[in-house]
Amino acid sequence: KNQVEQSPQSLIILEGKNCTLQCNYTVSPFSNLRWYKQDTGRGPVSLTIMTFSENTKSNGRYTATLDADTKQSSLHITASQLSDSASYICVVSATGSGTDKLIFGTGTRLQVFP
Amino acid sequence: NAGVMQNPRHLVRRRGQEARLRCSPMKGHSHVYWYRQLPEEGLKFMVYLQKENIIDESGMPKERFSAEFPKEGPSILRIQQVVRGDSAAYFCASSPLGQGLREQFFGPGTRLTVL
Repeated sequence: KNQVEQSPQSLIILEGKNCTLQCNYTVSPFSNLRWYKQDTGRGPVSLTIMTFSENTKSNGRYTATLDADTKQSSLHITASQLSDSASYICVVSATGSGTDKLIFGTGTRLQVFP
Repeated sequence: NAGVMQNPRHLVRRRGQEARLRCSPMKGHSHVYWYRQLPEEGLKFMVYLQKENIIDESGMPKERFSAEFPKEGPSILRIQQVVRGDSAAYFCASSPLGQGLREQFFGPGTRLTVL
């Protein structure tokens, strides 16, 4: 069964600190892995997209890693800001007849306090 | 360049009524996806449409749910005879035409509450 699991479920950090969120997946056949940020009451916004051959990708203070062998990914946030408070969702795309079928994790809820 | 638009943002229906959710994709995008997010759960794929065609509806319940993306106008997700279990946030995403990796851009969602 295709699944995406994330940890921790929630995380509280102080402004300026770094943090790392984890994602494990069992999706086959694998196409690509995405990290999204979802603010409360809003739709998800894409942070990074990585294919099988990529093992790291950065977007500003966000750096995602991918280990396709162990089927693990992480999202590292550097020098956190209050505006980073949101849910971070790991999403894996399964290859299928031209359809980008996305399988979503339940997210890590990050709270950044001053 | 407006993003993906969804309306209404909030919808309240009584059991047995119909719910109609609208999604206008980003300009130039011809692919639309609908997802449902139940409380405390991740988004779940429902249906993938291109103009006038349903490409993949494997995630959509067989009864009471239907979706369309006409040649003109927004995509519509229709839920007939709603039940309490239909209460959820429904997100629409769109992507452009083309081969390879296609990023999906999400709308703000419609929150459906069934009383």
